[in-house]
Amino acid sequence: DSGVTQTPKHLITATGQRVTLRCSPRSGDLSVYWYQQSLDQGLQFLIQYYNGEERAKGNILERFSAQQFPDLHSELNLSSLELGDSALYFCASTPGLAGVNEQFFGPGTRLTVL
Amino acid sequence: GENVEQHPSTLSVQEGDSAVIKCTYSDSASNYFPWYKQELGKRPQLIIDIRSNVGEKKDQRIAVTLNKTAKHFSLHITETQPEDSAVYFCAAFDGGLSGSNTGKLIFGQGTTLQVKP
Repeated sequence: DSGVTQTPKHLITATGQRVTLRCSPRSGDLSVYWYQQSLDQGLQFLIQYYNGEERAKGNILERFSAQQFPDLHSELNLSSLELGDSALYFCASTPGLAGVNEQFFGPGTRLTVL
Repeated sequence: GENVEQHPSTLSVQEGDSAVIKCTYSDSASNYFPWYKQELGKRPQLIIDIRSNVGEKKDQRIAVTLNKTAKHFSLHITETQPEDSAVYFCAAFDGGLSGSNTGKLIFGQGTTLQVKP
């Protein structure tokens, strides 16, 4: 158990809908990273938040957005869902701002878009 | 930006043999190279990492080598065991134009390792 929690574990929804994925980092960790893992692709970095502020961005679609709250939990919002958004979504956390340290991954949320 | 290529995509070895997975990266400014292991249905977990000021690092049966000139790094697993069967991902840290410590991990496509008993 890495100490990073994610809810829900599974999510099934329809195209066009909007969902929110939630992540709680390890106690004391200030940085949260979001990744998308599709069946035929590796881990794709989406976005990083540090202490409430966006700090790094990957190839995150405009339909996706994220935020980190004062209690340091983070939410990833996916809207106007398409079939291709079906994937495993992981969040990870680190104590500080630097990404050059071990990232502790949560168990993931499996999103299925029908 | 950074691009990471990983080979092979699948690897099958007999228990006790060695396994080698290779990755190349494109950005010479990258300075941090972790390897993650992901068992089926589970989260990725760091198994070893190396920084650009070091050429080799070992941890029991696992070793990683880094060739900065050629821009490639490799994972070596010796005396493989069935529990080593998993997907292995290499990654390179992309600090962006400023080369800072904030940035993103760029992952390879993964190698599915199967260790046959």
